[in-house]
Amino acid sequence: GESVGLHLPTLSVQEGDNSIINCAYSNSASDYFIWYKQESGKGPQFIIDIRSNMDKRQGQRVTVLLNKTVKHLSLQIAATQPGDSAVYFCAEIRARGSNYKLTFGKGTLLTVNP
Amino acid sequence: DAGVIQSPRHEVTEMGQEVTLRCKPISGHDYLFWYRQTMMRGLELLIYFNNNVPIDDSGMPEDRFSAKMPNASFSTLKIQPSEPRDSAVYFCASSLPGQVREQFFGPGTRLTVL
Repeated sequence: GESVGLHLPTLSVQEGDNSIINCAYSNSASDYFIWYKQESGKGPQFIIDIRSNMDKRQGQRVTVLLNKTVKHLSLQIAATQPGDSAVYFCAEIRARGSNYKLTFGKGTLLTVNP
Repeated sequence: DAGVIQSPRHEVTEMGQEVTLRCKPISGHDYLFWYRQTMMRGLELLIYFNNNVPIDDSGMPEDRFSAKMPNASFSTLKIQPSEPRDSAVYFCASSLPGQVREQFFGPGTRLTVL
């Protein structure tokens, strides 16, 4: 069936290292892929998105890569900081006119060790 | 702006009782979303509104759940009667016109049904 899922449920990195969070998807009809960050006790927060016809998009300290051949999405965080510790969700969105279908993955817990 | 406001932040009730969750979106946002988050099922979209009109309620689990948006600044999610399996964190999110990818989430309501 259609799904957005994650390879790893947890990731632990040292402060200053780069982090890579992965996500697999199965629906080729998605229009956008999105990454959200959720800190403990808070609601998810938008990080970055990428259109389905793109391969790479960069933001501030973050890069999202999209490999449509293997239906894989990744979020790279440069120079990971303790404040990056959170659960990261990938999500897909399909737009049909003004109607949207948004599906979130289960999430990956990123822990940054000082 | 205060962001998306949800109330109450915590709700503990007994099985069979009616529960009403409230949300005030960010001013100027015309999309409003209700989500449910559990460890088992992750973040699930329940329903969303555009300009106060429900667009897609396919995520609403059953008839016990209902949502309304009487005006642009207020929405409710009601569960009647509540059951223990409804225990979860319920999030409300809003977004600008055409910016459904970038949703602004509220802090959530943690619901416990005993």
